[in-house]
This record gives sequence, structure tokens and C-alpha cells, in this order.
Amino acid sequence: AQSVTQLGSHVSVSEGALVLLRCNYSSSVPPYLFWYVQYPNQGLQLLLKYTSAATLVKGINGFEAEFKKSETSFHLTKPSAHMSDAAEYFCAVSGGSQGNLIFGKGTKLSVKP
Amino acid sequence: GAVVSQHPSRVICKSGTSVKIECRSLDFQATTMFWYRQFPKQSLMLMATSNEGSKATYEQGVEKDKFLINHASLTLSTLTVTSAHPEDSSFYICSARDPGPTDTQYFGPGTRLTVL
Repeated sequence: AQSVTQLGSHVSVSEGALVLLRCNYSSSVPPYLFWYVQYPNQGLQLLLKYTSAATLVKGINGFEAEFKKSETSFHLTKPSAHMSDAAEYFCAVSGGSQGNLIFGKGTKLSVKP
Repeated sequence: GAVVSQHPSRVICKSGTSVKIECRSLDFQATTMFWYRQFPKQSLMLMATSNEGSKATYEQGVEKDKFLINHASLTLSTLTVTSAHPEDSSFYICSARDPGPTDTQYFGPGTRLTVL
């Protein structure tokens, strides 16, 4: 069965610093992996996704993630944090029994001025 | 990217009443839509899968008679919370699956339900 683990429920960085949000997955088949961002009281916005093409995936807002099969990881990074990046980030893997996504518990990113 | 709308964005109702939430895919046809529930500071939990023209598939522990789902067309699914109670207060989010080349799920903006 597919599952996702996000390490760190809360990450705090200074503005301009590197953002690193960790995600490890478990999947019995080659996975499709996703990162979504959620701002307060809003739905989820797709940041990027991996679908077995390039292992380094570039998304919106300067985010990127690298698929590492050997480490079963799909960490999200951004070289320089901006105040507007403060939000909740969810890693997800496809392959639920109904074709649904399976989400990690989320990581709240805070950005300090 | 594709757009999924939800209506209403926020609803407050009295205990015992029913509330209908609509989920629409605006620029693609979604044969499958999903309904999730999100409790405060928690992740999304799948409630049910809605397939156009057939009965919804509910996850274990989700009462199908309480959470009625109708997927009447390829662009519209509705979730009706019947006889709502305060414990039903939550953030409900739908997603629509674009079955095209990208096979991507797009999420609605969510509906905040508060039952008094």
C-alpha cells in the first residue's frame, strides 16, 4: 500500500534562506508524487508533480523537488524563502484504492522577516 | 491549470438541517471526483469517490446515508450533509480528476461548514 511520511510538522526559516521540506514515500509500484500548498482557509494548489519523467521537477513559485528512488524521497526545496511562502505543504502519492491521492500529515512553513 | 470551483465557500447552519455543497470542474470533464474532509491542523482524509453516473464509493467509517453524493454530470458533483450536527463541522474539499495526459487531480477551494 502507498503511504507518505512528512518529517517535521513545522519548519521555520528566515526570509531569503533555503527551504527544505522532507517527504518520504512507500509504494509497491512506481509512484506519481505531488506537492500541494494550502493557504489558510483555502483549497490545495498543485506546486509540482513527478510522473516518472525527469527526476528533478520544477514547479511554480520557484519550488522544485527531486525524486530519489534509492532513498524513497521526494523533498521539496526553494533556494530563497519569501514571506508569501508561509503556508501548509502537503506531499501526496497516487495509488489509493479509488485512484485518490494519499496525503502526508502536512508541514507548516513559517517565514521570519 | 485546470479550475475546480466549490460553492458555497462558507456555510453556517443549525443542527438538524441539511447542507448541499457543489463541486464543479470548469474547463475539463471529470469522470471521477473525490470528497475529502480536513480537520483543523490535520491532513485531508478521503470520504468518498464519486463517479459520474454511478453510486459513490465511501471510505470505511463514512456514513453514506449522512453524506449523500451525487455525480449528475461530468462537471458536477454534490455532497449533501444531512441532518447536520456540530461534529460535522469541518472543512470539506473536493477534487476532480482530469483523465487526460496529465492525469492530475485539481482541488476546489474548500467549504467551511459550521453547524451550530
